[in-house]
Amino acid sequence: NAGVTQTPKFRVLKTGQSMTLLCAQDMNHEYMYWYRQDPGMGLRLIHYSVGEGTTAKGEVPDGYNVSRLKKQNFLLGLESAAPSQTSVYFCASGDRDEQYFGPGTRLTVT
Amino acid sequence: GQQVMQIPQYQHVQEGEDFTTYCNSSTTLSNIQWYKQRPGGHPVFLIQLVKSGEVKKQKRLTFQFGEAKKNSSLHITATQTTDVGTYFCAGYGIQGAQKLVFGQGTRLTINP
Repeated sequence: NAGVTQTPKFRVLKTGQSMTLLCAQDMNHEYMYWYRQDPGMGLRLIHYSVGEGTTAKGEVPDGYNVSRLKKQNFLLGLESAAPSQTSVYFCASGDRDEQYFGPGTRLTVT
Repeated sequence: GQQVMQIPQYQHVQEGEDFTTYCNSSTTLSNIQWYKQRPGGHPVFLIQLVKSGEVKKQKRLTFQFGEAKKNSSLHITATQTTDVGTYFCAGYGIQGAQKLVFGQGTRLTINP
């Protein structure tokens, strides 16, 4: 039982490049979330999903896209990376009573 | 939209001192959750409070949910170095809401 896993752990991108962050969970959770964490800003919700094939916008969705083709996976895409997207990205899964977080992806955009 | 504020943003204590962080919401919450994030780690769920005026304890940690369900607090008695980290509160605004809104967190450092 791995819980929530994220790949990659670290990545450096140049401005304008694209990438996809992968989140996988093996707890059969319906809800999955993508957050970004910046110093002094806490955790801000980017997008979330309440089930396979569904996605919805969170607090800071601009510049990101997501897909939930399989229940266990939630992908976060950056089509054209910008320096403002330098952050630590956390994926989480769970329900209303508790969220389980992955280890995070540290992304730097130069 | 719903906002959750936490104070203080930072707290430094001597080992053995008590610590309290406060969480205030701009709207009534259906529940409140607390998470702890160790330096370099990821947030880990601590507890959930649901009822108005609820108080729960976990060893040296005491969690309270306000009577109006708009505020909460976490109190740590006699801090230990293992308590170092950032404590976040988070809540759902209305019954059925799907988005958990996090406070900015309180970063606790401890002088041994």
